[in-house]
Parts: sequence; structure tokens; C-alpha cells
Amino acid sequence: GESVGLHLPTLSVQEGDNSIINCAYSNSASDYFIWYKQESGKGPQFIIDIRSNMDKRQGQRVTVLLNKTVKHLSLQIAATQPGDSAVYFCAENPQGGKLIFGQGTELSVKP
Amino acid sequence: GAGVSQSPRYKVAKRGQDVALRCDPISGHVSLFWYQQALGQGPEFLTYFQNEAQLDKSGLPSDRFFAERPEGSVSTLKIQRTQQEDSAVYLCASSLSSQMNTEAFFGQGTRLTVV
Repeated sequence: GESVGLHLPTLSVQEGDNSIINCAYSNSASDYFIWYKQESGKGPQFIIDIRSNMDKRQGQRVTVLLNKTVKHLSLQIAATQPGDSAVYFCAENPQGGKLIFGQGTELSVKP
Repeated sequence: GAGVSQSPRYKVAKRGQDVALRCDPISGHVSLFWYQQALGQGPEFLTYFQNEAQLDKSGLPSDRFFAERPEGSVSTLKIQRTQQEDSAVYLCASSLSSQMNTEAFFGQGTRLTVV
């Protein structure tokens, strides 16, 4: 079936370095994508979104890149901080209101 | 309230017991979603309401699962005759608009453990 998947299940970076988290999606009908951050014991927290008519969107310290040709999404976090440690999920909205989430990447930031 | 509120935060149920999980969405939010998150996995869609209308229940795993939102605000997810495979975190999310592609805000979830 349709799915959203992540290339790397875990990522460990040094504080201050940039982080890149990747995601592959398979539903070409999806026109909206979101990155969520989930800390232990909490619900997913919205980070940034992008629509399919864009290929890049920037927020505060975060950038999302969308490559529709290869169905690839990435999240870049600049100057990664210990507070960024969490599990990151990409999600797509292929139809209706529901989101399809990927498996998640655990980001660990070493001080 | 300031965010999506779910109760209880934790629930332990004996196998075969019925449970009811509550979600208070952000005031005024039209859309409400329920997701199930197994340990180490991403959330999986269960059902979606627009006001009081349940528009999509395609993700409910069996007829033991039932959701309602009678007045278009608070929602309850009920699981009858719980099984061990029902153990998961149940997440509720709400969004302001009925339009697609609008930000959904999640609650902290209810962790259900079936023993």
C-alpha cells in the first residue's frame, strides 16, 4: 500500500552541527507534507509544512526541501541544540483530512 | 483551553474490559482526528470528524472501536472488549478549518495498556 518511509531510523549529531533528516514518500497524489517533532511522553508537535507547489520552505533554524521527481522530503535543522533531541516524523496528506506518517527518525544531540 | 486535552493520560485495562478515551479539542476547531501510535512507530489514522459528522472511519481496526463527537466539540473513542494488541498511545488532533492542508494540533495522548 501507500506509505511514507524514512531512510535513517537514528541520527546522532554534535551540538552546533547541522542535522538532515530524510523521508521518502510513495503517493504521488499527496500535495501537502508536514514535519513533526515528538518528545517522549508528548504528542507530535508541528515544525514546518510545505505544499507540493513549492520545493523549499524555511522557518526558524529549520528548512524543508521537497523533491517531487524522486518523491523525497528532507528536514534540515541548523545549529542543532540538545533541545532538538526527539523523534521526527514526516507526514503526507494524500486525500481527505488524514495524515500518513512515516516510521520516524530519532535525533540525538551530543553536548 | 490552550491546547488539545486528552484524558486519562494513562489507562490500564484487563483484557475484555471496555474503555472510553476522551478528547477536548481546541475551542472552535472544526476538524478532529484520532490516531493510534504503537511503540516505536508513527501515528496511524483511525477516524476523522468535521463538526459532529464522522467523515472517515476507514482506519478503525475492528468493529470493537467506536468514536463519536455528538455536539461537534468533545470526542470519545470507545474500545469494547479490549485485546492486548489494542495497547498503544491514542492521539487526538484538531484543526481550525475544514479545509485540507491546515495545521493539526495534537494532544499528549492516552497510553492504553491491556493486561
